[in-house]
Amino acid sequence: AQSVTQLDSQVPVFEEAPVELRCNYSSSVSVYLFWYVQYPNQGLQLLLKYLSGSTLVKGINGFEAEFNKSQTSFHLRKPSVHISDTAEYFCAVSDPPYGGATNKLIFGTGTLLAVQP
Amino acid sequence: DTEVTQTPKHLVMGMTNKKSLKCEQHMGHRAMYWYKQKAKKPPELMFVYSYEKLSINESVPSRFSPECPNSSLLNLHLHALQPEDSALYLCASSQEPEPHSLEAFFGQGTRLTVV
Repeated sequence: AQSVTQLDSQVPVFEEAPVELRCNYSSSVSVYLFWYVQYPNQGLQLLLKYLSGSTLVKGINGFEAEFNKSQTSFHLRKPSVHISDTAEYFCAVSDPPYGGATNKLIFGTGTLLAVQP
Repeated sequence: DTEVTQTPKHLVMGMTNKKSLKCEQHMGHRAMYWYKQKAKKPPELMFVYSYEKLSINESVPSRFSPECPNSSLLNLHLHALQPEDSALYLCASSQEPEPHSLEAFFGQGTRLTVV
């Protein structure tokens, strides 16, 4: 089964600084990868996804992520963060990688992005 | 309309109560999901409905009973819950349960407290 590792449980950063949230996945074959954001007391919202094609994926709110197959990583980046970006960020992978009737999302443990003024 | 609507937003219930959580979407999505999320943890999949049929049950205790009356509605019936079942219950939907449509739209959740 697939698994996702988010090594950083919390990332503090100052406003307008760049940020990278790390995500590594377990599969050695092609996978589908996602980043979701969860604001306090809210559901999850899709930031971006990688299915195929260009390894640099642009999402909403100025976020982007780069798929690196050799390093099995899908790190999320933003060049300049705002206070409003403070939230929990979840990386997810589809399981099984090629989909099917029992396809589902496997989430990482999440990273709290704490933006300070 | 890209919303998944969950009701109620908050629910407090006793261990002998029977209650139901409701989820509704009008995006024409044919896959719907229930997730359970404990504090400071990622969502954990409970059930998947595909074309109104239960396709995945992640070994969820029988005190949780899902129901999909039609393609727009998903219910989660609760009976004889335990305090450890207190959590945020999230509903989600996707166009179809296939990888290219796996983007899931989530509701805001029902915060359940079992006393």
